Amino acid sequence: EPEVTQTPSHQVTQMGQEVILRCVPISNHLYFYWYRQILGQKVEFLVSFYNNEISEKSEIFDDQFSVERPDGSNFTLKIRSTKLEDSAMYFCASSELQGGGRWETQYFGPGTRLLVL
Amino acid sequence: QKEVEQDPGPLSVPEGAIVSLNCTYSNSAFQYFMWYRQYSRKGPELLMYTYSSGNKEDGRFTAQVDKSSKYISLFIRDSQPSDSATYLCAMRPTSGTYKYIFGTGTRLKVLA
Repeated sequence: EPEVTQTPSHQVTQMGQEVILRCVPISNHLYFYWYRQILGQKVEFLVSFYNNEISEKSEIFDDQFSVERPDGSNFTLKIRSTKLEDSAMYFCASSELQGGGRWETQYFGPGTRLLVL
Repeated sequence: QKEVEQDPGPLSVPEGAIVSLNCTYSNSAFQYFMWYRQYSRKGPELLMYTYSSGNKEDGRFTAQVDKSSKYISLFIRDSQPSDSATYLCAMRPTSGTYKYIFGTGTRLKVLA
């Protein structure tokens, strides 16, 4: 069964450093998302991406965050200057379409655990 | 009032029991409702997807939506130790956004 994959599974970085989290969405999916989950808290939406553009973002997704689809298979989240509070599990998700119906359901990857020291 | 509320548990049940997991929500515009299962330190895995009100069954799982009460449920029949996980409800409104709003999750333990 097709699945979303993410690398790395764990990332430790120093405060102020840049990190890039990578995702390979399901191959026929057109919409891509990033969510994060701070330890013990709920899963929170960061951004959605379609046709090489951000289609929606949350207030969490400020100027230190960016997303990119550098080629036909990868989808990345860059955090320019990490802060302690960026420590969280970051999930990539993808959906075939949007607009209702089974094909809009979002499938999640296993996550990247980011620890900022 | 939080948009989506979910009892965090933990909920412990014996193997074979029927489990009822619930979420309440405040936004009457929510029309799409999902249940995800999340094992420890793993990504959410989609279990059920429902639209508007009514019931939907898939194997041992039944999802129920009561929009008049702003209340959704997931029932697990013949629960197994492998069902031990955190169950997340997620939802979104009909229009204006495609982001999912998640509950905090209910931790379930099925005891052998």
